[in-house]
Amino acid sequence: NAGVTQTPKFQVLKTGQSMTLQCAQDMNHNSMYWYRQDPGMGLRLIYYSASEGTTDKGEVPNGYNVSRLNKREFSLRLESAAPSQTSVYFCASRAPGKGSHQPQHFGDGTRLSIL
Amino acid sequence: AQSVTQPDIHITVSEGASLELRCNYSYGATPYLFWYVQSPGQGLQLLLKYFSGDTLVQGIKGFEAEFKRSQSSFNLRKPSVHWSDAAEYFCAVVRGGSGNTPLVFGKGTRLSVIA
Repeated sequence: NAGVTQTPKFQVLKTGQSMTLQCAQDMNHNSMYWYRQDPGMGLRLIYYSASEGTTDKGEVPNGYNVSRLNKREFSLRLESAAPSQTSVYFCASRAPGKGSHQPQHFGDGTRLSIL
Repeated sequence: AQSVTQPDIHITVSEGASLELRCNYSYGATPYLFWYVQSPGQGLQLLLKYFSGDTLVQGIKGFEAEFKRSQSSFNLRKPSVHWSDAAEYFCAVVRGGSGNTPLVFGKGTRLSVIA
């Protein structure tokens, strides 16, 4: 019962490099989300996908792109990494929108450092 | 817009003492409320949620929370803290009936437990 799986778990990049963070869920959830977590800032939403084929910007989308490849997978891409994007990135998914009381389920995070 | 305030950045309690973590939300209509816990290096785990019915909700690990509409609060409590409860705690809110709208998180309260 894997839940939400994120790869890689750790990554170090140089400024200007590009990278894609992968996320997959096996719970047949419709909605998927990308957050970043920085000290003292809580979790801030980058992008989300309410269903396959749709994506929407969150609070801090600049410098990122996303792809909802299929129902299971939602990737986050940094086209030209900047030191300000050093953070811990979390992917989450949520059960079908039968009720918004459904919780979000989180992966274990990707710790990204940009030098 | 919805928002969540966790007034305490860091709380230290003695093992065996009671605990209350504060959460205030800003949203006019019926909110759905969640508490998550994050152990070091881990993702977020759902402790409990409130969306209707009894305003006192029970969660995992002996936690409970009480929804008080008049105070716009959803405080988390535990009668006797264990050393393993040391972690960061996040309160989150979403607009009721909003389908797949993402949760909005507070900035978190870090709990330290001393002997």
